[in-house]
Amino acid sequence: GAGVSQSPRYKVAKRGQDVALRCDPISGHVSLFWYQQALGQGPEFLTYFQNEAQLDKSGLPSDRFFAERPEGSVSTLKIQRTQQEDSAVYLCASSLVMRIHEQFFGPGTRLTVL
Amino acid sequence: KQEVTQIPAALSVPEGENLVLNCSFTDSAIYNLQWFRQDPGKGLTSLLLIQSSQREQTSGRLNASLDKSSGRSTLYIAASQPGDSATYLCAVKPTSNAGGTSYGKLTFGQGTILTVHP
Repeated sequence: GAGVSQSPRYKVAKRGQDVALRCDPISGHVSLFWYQQALGQGPEFLTYFQNEAQLDKSGLPSDRFFAERPEGSVSTLKIQRTQQEDSAVYLCASSLVMRIHEQFFGPGTRLTVL
Repeated sequence: KQEVTQIPAALSVPEGENLVLNCSFTDSAIYNLQWFRQDPGKGLTSLLLIQSSQREQTSGRLNASLDKSSGRSTLYIAASQPGDSATYLCAVKPTSNAGGTSYGKLTFGQGTILTVHP
């Protein structure tokens, strides 16, 4: 595809459910980022992958959050035992390699936890 | 820790006005600064990217300036139109992280919600 795609676009979960959010980066992009955007706030960094290696997960808010990119392309962000405070838009971005390259963002997944 | 602040939080103007959005950041060790537009329910669209060595960038009715030493950037929108209504976000990319590697995670401001009414 031409850009970063994310699925589902919207997800409603009951508190305590597990959810999985998918990101398809631009083909050939080595770097992949996940950001969390709470309502009325700017996005905040969650985690970073370079190919299949997760090099930074310092932004993950708790051990209920887990991300993977097993083959260095598609990435999944999993949230276990969702809580109301997890309600947010989850944005994925990809770039060619490193900081010199611009990040391109997907449309996001809006997660609502009831 | 880098902090990015945007002022004002919201702005409502009549069509045709020129306007300025402000962004400030606390750590001047940035690689670049980027302005994004976000429409409701949508992702981020990049508007302008200014490298740390640059002073400004222009695209159509948009002009962004950067004063790295003072930690400030402004986005100037000329002759505003209702279609400009959106949230505008600025984000900075660091030169490197504490570990010496550098992959460029972005730090965002909280955004300015712009409404341009006819």
